[in-house]
Amino acid sequence: GIQVEQSPPDLILQEGANSTLRCNFSDSVNNLQWFHQNPWGQLINLFYIPSGTKQNGRLSATTVATERYSLLYISSSQTTDSGVYFCAVAETSGSRLTFGEGTQLTVNP
Amino acid sequence: SAVISQKPSRDICQRGTSLTIQCQVDSQVTMMFWYRQQPGQSLTLIATANQGSEATYESGFVIDKFPISRPNLTFSTLTVSNMSPEDSSIYLCSVASQGFGYGYTFGSGTRLTVV
Repeated sequence: GIQVEQSPPDLILQEGANSTLRCNFSDSVNNLQWFHQNPWGQLINLFYIPSGTKQNGRLSATTVATERYSLLYISSSQTTDSGVYFCAVAETSGSRLTFGEGTQLTVNP
Repeated sequence: SAVISQKPSRDICQRGTSLTIQCQVDSQVTMMFWYRQQPGQSLTLIATANQGSEATYESGFVIDKFPISRPNLTFSTLTVSNMSPEDSSIYLCSVASQGFGYGYTFGSGTRLTVV
């Protein structure tokens, strides 16, 4: 099956810093999403981005499908950005999502 | 995108007992997915549930341990049977949103602790 690798596994920032999270995947995908899991375990959908670039406030994401990677940018980080960020992909429409191992982000005040 | 109501949000259960988790979707969906997230780990798919047919289980998961019901296109349950402390995890249901550009939506999760 498809493999998903995320880096870095852990990231510690000071409030106000910028960061880039990376997701590599091993095969072509129909769906790619970035999620933020808060301390209560809820998965928050950040971006649906199988290709191209999207922005939402301080967050933006870019997927280069031909090179099989996606990047999540967080600018001017805040303590509330702390948590685990997951990249997940699906090979075909409606098929199962495969998750990466996640990036644990800690933003210190 | 679809909205999922998942219950219970958390529970503490005795070993040897069973817990049934419910997911209600606000629109009709063909497939529902059930995931497990063990402490400190990523999400792993348990099974895919289609309405009107038996669920399809992933390697390492069996129907006797994780029976699933899918009585209609908006509802599904996952039962965690004969629980042990190793079953302590977050369980989440998910659906593929019907509209274009929304991807997959997840329930709020059930945090299960087995003592």
